[in-house]
Amino acid sequence: KNEVEQSPQNLTAQEGEFITINCSYSVGISALHWLQQHPGGGIVSLFMLSSGKKKHGRLIATINIQEKHSSLHITASHPRDSAVYICAVRFTGNQFYFGTGTSLTVIP
Amino acid sequence: NAGVTQTPKFQVLKTGQSMTLQCAQDMNHEYMSWYRQDPGMGLRLIHYSVGAGITDQGEVPNGYNVSRSTTEDFPLRLLSAAPSQTSVYFCASSYGGWGTSREQYFGPGTRLTVT
Repeated sequence: KNEVEQSPQNLTAQEGEFITINCSYSVGISALHWLQQHPGGGIVSLFMLSSGKKKHGRLIATINIQEKHSSLHITASHPRDSAVYICAVRFTGNQFYFGTGTSLTVIP
Repeated sequence: NAGVTQTPKFQVLKTGQSMTLQCAQDMNHEYMSWYRQDPGMGLRLIHYSVGAGITDQGEVPNGYNVSRSTTEDFPLRLLSAAPSQTSVYFCASSYGGWGTSREQYFGPGTRLTVT
């Protein structure tokens, strides 16, 4: 069964903290995306990974294909990082499956 | 560029009514898709298109129709609205499908309530 699980579901952090959000999936994938959904509802694509690691500003995404696991890290977190972070994977064909999201709140 | 636009932003329908959610993009993207987002569930793919004239079903296609007569537009039709279709609907587009290195662009969403 194709499953995508994210943890934690909710996360509260103090400004400046290092944050990690996890995504695990059940079977082999061809690619994994990390998305950010703002409090107003808009969705932005952050990263696409098929292997290794990517970095953009204070955001770092890693993937371990053998362990079927990806992490999204935020360094020096800021209140503007408060959002829902969503992991999305492509298993085979054109079917895409999404995690339920991690709701992050960064407190000043 | 306007990016991906969706209309309307909000809609209330009665059970049995039909309507069309509009989606348009001005980036000449081949790939367009429709998702619904429900509380406690991840985004779920309804239908997608890999180019004008080509559409296919996603995970939850029942009760919805799509067509792609132009590269720019990808409307989603609700044939006979049901309360189970109450949701937030997102349209997305990209040069390539998921699994490529291409960024996905999302519209602002349409919040639909069926009473």
